[in-house]
Amino acid sequence: QLEESGGGVVRPGGSLRLSCVASGFRFDDFAMAWVRQSPGKGLEWVSGLGWDGSNPTYSASAKGRFTISRDNAKNSLYLQMDSLRADDTAFFYCARAPRWGYWYFDLWGRGTLVTVSS
Amino acid sequence: DIQMTQSPSTLYASVGDRVTITCRPSQSISGWLAWYQQKPGQAPKLLIYKASTLESGVPSRFSGSGSGREFTLTINSLQAEDFATYYCQQYNSYSATFGQGTTVEMK
Repeated sequence: QLEESGGGVVRPGGSLRLSCVASGFRFDDFAMAWVRQSPGKGLEWVSGLGWDGSNPTYSASAKGRFTISRDNAKNSLYLQMDSLRADDTAFFYCARAPRWGYWYFDLWGRGTLVTVSS
Repeated sequence: DIQMTQSPSTLYASVGDRVTITCRPSQSISGWLAWYQQKPGQAPKLLIYKASTLESGVPSRFSGSGSGREFTLTINSLQAEDFATYYCQQYNSYSATFGQGTTVEMK
């Protein structure tokens, strides 16, 4: 399973670091990603990363502001989010992909809510 | 970016109905398409990948077809637990984009 944490309320321009801990499978066999969903809205892929931390890739809205990383020794995925804006308000899901570039997701966490508000 | 257009946005159906949802990408994506089901308060659940491959554990009443620029998700004999929102998603371009969703509601 996947379990996210680190969400909360932050002011516009602020930063937040999300974490995701994996269990029940071999974490370093899989690429990982973050997907978000604004309340009541659709899904948006945010960022993805290879099994070994290689080839981080970002959506246009995340590029330059968000940084994805992982620590396989801790079975953990991270998303550092800087320069947050009101339109970043969303549930952020950690999701597992079979490999880098094949960004479909067969395992999802329950999500953590990020609210950007003054 | 590849845009994904689903139709209809809302679909009204009864238990036992056959339901079809269509997804059209803005450019050809070969067969690199997935379908998800999402229920309120839950994360999405993968149903189908590579356009027509059923994810392990997903009931066989779900099926996917299509390639290029038109894809369909079919639910044969809709069950009570199938009332939910369905999303298509392309993963052709080393990134991913989702459709806007189709909500299946009780008629």
